[in-house]
Amino acid sequence: NAGVMQNPRHLVRRRGQEARLRCSPMKGHSHVYWYRQLPEEGLKFMVYLQKENIIDESGMPKERFSAEFPKEGPSILRIQQVVRGDSAAYFCASSPPGTGFLYEQYFGPGTRLTVT
Amino acid sequence: AQSVAQPEDQVNVAEGNPLTVKCTYSVSGNPYLFWYVQYPNRGLQFLLKYITGDNLVKGSYGFEAEFNKSQTSFHLKKPSALVSDSALYFCAVRDGTGGYNKLIFGAGTRLAVHP
Repeated sequence: NAGVMQNPRHLVRRRGQEARLRCSPMKGHSHVYWYRQLPEEGLKFMVYLQKENIIDESGMPKERFSAEFPKEGPSILRIQQVVRGDSAAYFCASSPPGTGFLYEQYFGPGTRLTVT
Repeated sequence: AQSVAQPEDQVNVAEGNPLTVKCTYSVSGNPYLFWYVQYPNRGLQFLLKYITGDNLVKGSYGFEAEFNKSQTSFHLKKPSALVSDSALYFCAVRDGTGGYNKLIFGAGTRLAVHP
């Protein structure tokens, strides 16, 4: 049973380019969370999605960042016109359907974004 | 607002000795608390959680945590540390009342176990 998969594992972008980060949840999971970890810091919540719905995006920056979780395929975190401050590790986590707060989240290995 | 604090940046322990990694929390309502471990260049691995019930929670890899409501603490413990336990440990609390686990993480505590 494969865990949460994220790709790419490492991504280098120049300032002004777009970054697309992909997350495939564990089999049977329909809830996806995205978190960002800046160097030497804890993880910060960004967005929570269910299939085809954004439920909570209170942690997403208002501009340049967007997320989706289509009916088919992985969840995508998109960062437009990247800046150096976007350099971080981005983690995706998934949990089963149902009463979500009863279940722990399973984390992927992360995508390390470097903006040059 | 919900928050967690991990007062120690680093904890050093000799192999075979007991270890404690501290966490305190501040929440309105009942706390849902979690511990995760992160190895270098890896994602977080779930260790244990407290939702309700027994104050002593047993988790993976021999870890346990003690929920103390009066002290608002949820310290992670292990009776006998292993070198392989060396990693970054995060305490987290559930934020909000929705039917999902939006987590607020502490800054992390680096555990170093010396042979």
